[in-house]
Amino acid sequence: ETGVTQTPRHLVMGMTNKKSLKCEQHLGHNAMYWYKQSAKKPLELMFVYNFKEQTENNSVPSRFSPECPNSSHLFLHLHTLQPEDSALYLCASSHPAPGQGSVRSSYEQYFGPGTRLTVT
Amino acid sequence: GENVEQHPSTLSVQEGDSAVIKCTYSDSASNYFPWYKQELGKGPQLIIDIRSNVGEKKDQRIAVTLNKTAKHFSLHITETQPEDSAVYFCAASMGEYGNKLVFGAGTILRVKS
Repeated sequence: ETGVTQTPRHLVMGMTNKKSLKCEQHLGHNAMYWYKQSAKKPLELMFVYNFKEQTENNSVPSRFSPECPNSSHLFLHLHTLQPEDSALYLCASSHPAPGQGSVRSSYEQYFGPGTRLTVT
Repeated sequence: GENVEQHPSTLSVQEGDSAVIKCTYSDSASNYFPWYKQELGKGPQLIIDIRSNVGEKKDQRIAVTLNKTAKHFSLHITETQPEDSAVYFCAASMGEYGNKLVFGAGTILRVKS
């Protein structure tokens, strides 16, 4: 166990559905991340949150909407997805970056087990 | 932006032999290089990392070397065991604060017993 949990572990949804992925970390971190892992591409960073503020959106389509209500929880709201959005969605957490309110290193990121998403 | 190339894409070794995986990066400003191991059905797990002010780091059977001039870094696993079989990813940090990781495509390592 890495201290980062994700639910659900598997999700099948139609293109017109709305669903949400949840991530929770128990490591006392203040930075959280969403990554996408698909079969034919390397792990891709989607969003970064530091102290609940979004600091990075890596040109992600608006059909993916993140939410970070507090430093321990991160959501990814999904709507009108496409079949090519089928992938493993991974959440990670770390201490925040130097200069962003923490003296500890941000470098080590800890990943959850992921949500396997299938869009039909 | 940063680009990370990883080789080989698959690697088969005999139990007890060594395995080496190599990565190159493009952005000379990158300063942090982690290696992750991913087993089936699990998320990536950090196994070792190195920062740009260090040339080599070792942790038991695992070592990482960094050549900043050539912009490449390598993972070395000695005395491989069947449980080392997994997908290994290298990454390089980018961005002002070093927390934006760009990953290589991964190496499938198979250790044959």
